Amino acid sequence: DAKTTQPNSMESNEEEPVHLPCNHSTISGTDYIHWYRQLPSQGPEYVIHGLTSNVNNRMASLAIAEDRKSSTLILHRATLRDAAVYYCILRGLRTNFGNEKLTFGTGTRLTIIP
Amino acid sequence: DAGITQSPRHKVTETGTPVTLRCHQTENHRYMYWYRQDPGHGLRLIHYSYGVKDTDKGEVSDGYSVSRSKTEDFLLTLESATSSQTSVYFCAITRLANTGELFFGEGSRLTVL
Repeated sequence: DAKTTQPNSMESNEEEPVHLPCNHSTISGTDYIHWYRQLPSQGPEYVIHGLTSNVNNRMASLAIAEDRKSSTLILHRATLRDAAVYYCILRGLRTNFGNEKLTFGTGTRLTIIP
Repeated sequence: DAGITQSPRHKVTETGTPVTLRCHQTENHRYMYWYRQDPGHGLRLIHYSYGVKDTDKGEVSDGYSVSRSKTEDFLLTLESATSSQTSVYFCAITRLANTGELFFGEGSRLTVL
């Protein structure tokens, strides 16, 4: 799976939008972009994923660049509970679904300022 | 929701002793994983299983063995624990095969003195 690059840390004010960037310049045409987050003292949790089009769910939005070499996770209105480490991961096309040997980097530590 | 229970949640042991961590799932998911998490390294895959008695190595498998004798249980064993194996260990399952969503347990913190 191709590599991703994220800033080590970011800060944002409470109740404001947060844009978490991820670069993946070596992404292949069949790689999905997945985001997970890890709250303090917990295991990672799935946030969102996409392939080419922008995606929205109850937790966040994912904006994918037209050339797919970068993406941005958007938290529309940050709360203190959003303080976590956010991981951007590429998942290659699986012919054997379920075999998810995902590679987690060190992610972006998001701090929310009250 | 799929449930994962890891046990023990905390353990302190001495170098050279055997340790077994257990991951128990309440639903019939085929794929299970063991990761370790250390400062500066993110999460690294140790071993994974794709069915009963079917397991394979991840990127940091040295010093670890696994077993899966039934669908719901995936055991991680450190035959002779070393201080470098002090870490937080997470078990995960593939929750939705079509999206590849992983669901993680709460972790087991192991300290090897």
